[in-house]
Amino acid sequence: KQEVTQIPAALSVPEGENLVLNCSFTDSAIYNLQWFRQDPGKGLTSLLLIQSSQREQTSGRLNASLDKSSGRSTLYIAASQPGDSATYLCAVRFLIQGAQKLVFGQGTRLTINP
Amino acid sequence: EAGVAQSPRYKIIEKRQSVAFWCNPISGHATLYWYQQILGQGPKLLIQFQNNGVVDDSQLPKDRFSAERLKGVDSTLKIQPAKLEDSAVYLCASSWMVNTGELFFGEGSRLTVL
Repeated sequence: KQEVTQIPAALSVPEGENLVLNCSFTDSAIYNLQWFRQDPGKGLTSLLLIQSSQREQTSGRLNASLDKSSGRSTLYIAASQPGDSATYLCAVRFLIQGAQKLVFGQGTRLTINP
Repeated sequence: EAGVAQSPRYKIIEKRQSVAFWCNPISGHATLYWYQQILGQGPKLLIQFQNNGVVDDSQLPKDRFSAERLKGVDSTLKIQPAKLEDSAVYLCASSWMVNTGELFFGEGSRLTVL
């Protein structure tokens, strides 16, 4: 069964720190991986999309890496700000018997303390 | 560019009543998804449309949930009769490419079943 795990479930750090969020998945046969941000009571906002042939993607202070062989992706946030406080979810598109299935992790709730 | 539109944003009903949610995807996006997100969990796919055809409805509780996408544009998700465990946020998402493209989400419709 294809599963996506995000640990820890919650993380609190002081403003200005660099931090890493983790996403692990059970099957290396993936098509792509997408990181989202979700603010309370809101929908999901796409942050970065990494295709299976890529190793990383960058957008501003965000950098996402992908290691299919170890079943891991990380989201690196540089110089964190209080506005970065949100829940971060990763979603993996698995290849299953010729079809594709998108599976979400449970998310990491991030709090940046001023 | 307009985003994914959903309505209503909030709905409170008694158990055994019915409810309908509406979604209008980003213009030109052929693929439309309905997800259920229970508090503290990642989104779970209910149904995926490609134009007006169903691609995946394996996790849709078909005894009470139904969805349609007439004319391949907007979509309606219906629950009848509702149960207490249906209390969740119903998220609509769309993507341009079948299975591989970046997903864009609406703000969601929060359902409370009393």
